[in-house]
Amino acid sequence: QSALTQPRSVSGSPGQSVTISCTGTSSDVGFYDYVSWYQQYPDKAPKLIVYDVSKRPSGVPDRFSGSKSGNTASLIISGLQAEDEADYFCCSYAGGDYYLFGTGTIVTVL
Amino acid sequence: QVQLQQWGAGLLKPSETLSLTCGVYGGSLSNHYWSWVRQPPGKGLEWIGEVNDRGHTKYNPSLKSRVTISGDTSKNHLSLKLNSVTDADTAVYYCARNGGFSVADWGQGTLVTVSS
Repeated sequence: QSALTQPRSVSGSPGQSVTISCTGTSSDVGFYDYVSWYQQYPDKAPKLIVYDVSKRPSGVPDRFSGSKSGNTASLIISGLQAEDEADYFCCSYAGGDYYLFGTGTIVTVL
Repeated sequence: QVQLQQWGAGLLKPSETLSLTCGVYGGSLSNHYWSWVRQPPGKGLEWIGEVNDRGHTKYNPSLKSRVTISGDTSKNHLSLKLNSVTDADTAVYYCARNGGFSVADWGQGTLVTVSS
């Protein structure tokens, strides 16, 4: 089982929107609606920002939204802010009682 | 919100056994699944496995032969053991509480370095 594929980096200016893709297969992302997204600052633990494809935990700004089409899930950050500069990882339940994480995406605010 | 505090040896030699413990504070092991996730320096996250309060475990197939995850409800502790470590096991190891099919709460992480 290979890691889910994410772009190495994305960037945008403050106020713009960026989209991070997360591509898997019909056995994981494409089959289960159990995709989650995590934000990670340097030397910090990850933080859950989206779960079950498009749900947000309490306290997460609605600038963060998730969606899925086929074998690809997406995280959209709208109204990009300087504090959004971080690493982002997707994760999908893959059946067989295990989970796959994505390769990670660096978001840069220009 | 539950707090997760980890501890364990941070430097190992090849072939030794990695052993980490995670204390759960402000909550109970009951009625939850608990995971261990690792992150090699500068790289992505890897799910190691999980355990529930009844001791039922699930493991990443790539690590299954070497890993044991357990929970002690009397102490509210989780533990991770990974035997026969190599350089490739050098990583920050996180314990975490699952929320459904996601990882909701994370420990502070413990860097484990494998070096001869």
